[in-house]
Amino acid sequence: DGGITQSPKYLFRKEGQNVTLSCEQNLNHDAMYWYRQDPGQGLRLIYYSQIVNDFQKGDIAEGYSVSREKKESFPLTVTSAQKNPTAFYLCASTGRGTGMIYEQYFGPGTRLTVT
Amino acid sequence: GENVEQHPSTLSVQEGDSAVIKCTYSDSASNYFPWYKQELGKGPQLIIDIRSNVGEKKDQRIAVTLNKTAKHFSLHITETQPEDSAVYFCAASRADKIIFGKGTRLHILP
Repeated sequence: DGGITQSPKYLFRKEGQNVTLSCEQNLNHDAMYWYRQDPGQGLRLIYYSQIVNDFQKGDIAEGYSVSREKKESFPLTVTSAQKNPTAFYLCASTGRGTGMIYEQYFGPGTRLTVT
Repeated sequence: GENVEQHPSTLSVQEGDSAVIKCTYSDSASNYFPWYKQELGKGPQLIIDIRSNVGEKKDQRIAVTLNKTAKHFSLHITETQPEDSAVYFCAASRADKIIFGKGTRLHILP
C-alpha cells in the first residue's frame, strides 16, 4: 500500500458518536486526500490537503472534519452530523514524480460501521 | 466541470480471453492517466499508467493506450486469469488534481 497506513481496519460506533480515522504516510508526499466508497460505487472526495495547516473541502465534506498539523498525518473525523457514515474510507497521498506528473497512492482503507 | 467516463461498468470474460476497459476525459490539460486495481476490502493499487507524450505502454499482460486527440484511453488485459477479477478505476490527472472514473467490475469466468 505504498507507505500509507490507516487504522483501524474495521471500526464500529454507535450513532451520535464522533469517530476519528487515522492516516499516516512515510512517502514525504505534500498532498493527502480522503475518499469515501460505498458498496459497488466509485470514489468520492471528502477533503484534501496540499500542504501542512491547509485543507479544502471535496465533493462531500458535510459531516466530516480534518486536520493537517503534520506532513505525515491527515486524520478524518466523522461527526454525528454525517447522516450516513457507514462506508469504506480511503486515504491517499500524492507525490511528484518526474516532470509535472503527480502519482497518487492509496492506503488499505478503514471500514466504518455505525449502528 | 471536468469528468472521466468509464465503460463498461461490469465486464465478464472467459479465462484466457482479453478484456478491454475504456475511458474518456474532458480536461484537455490532463497529462497523466493511471489505472488502479481494487480487490475486495482493499485499497486501490496503481497497476499501470501512461503520460500524455506516449501513445501506448505495455507491462506483461496489461497495456494502456492513449488517444489525446479523442481524449480516450484504454486498459487491455490479455490472457486473463482468475486473479484479474477485481474493480478497475481509470483516472485523469493534471498536477495534483486527479479525477477518477466510476470503476469497472471485471469477472473472470472459469
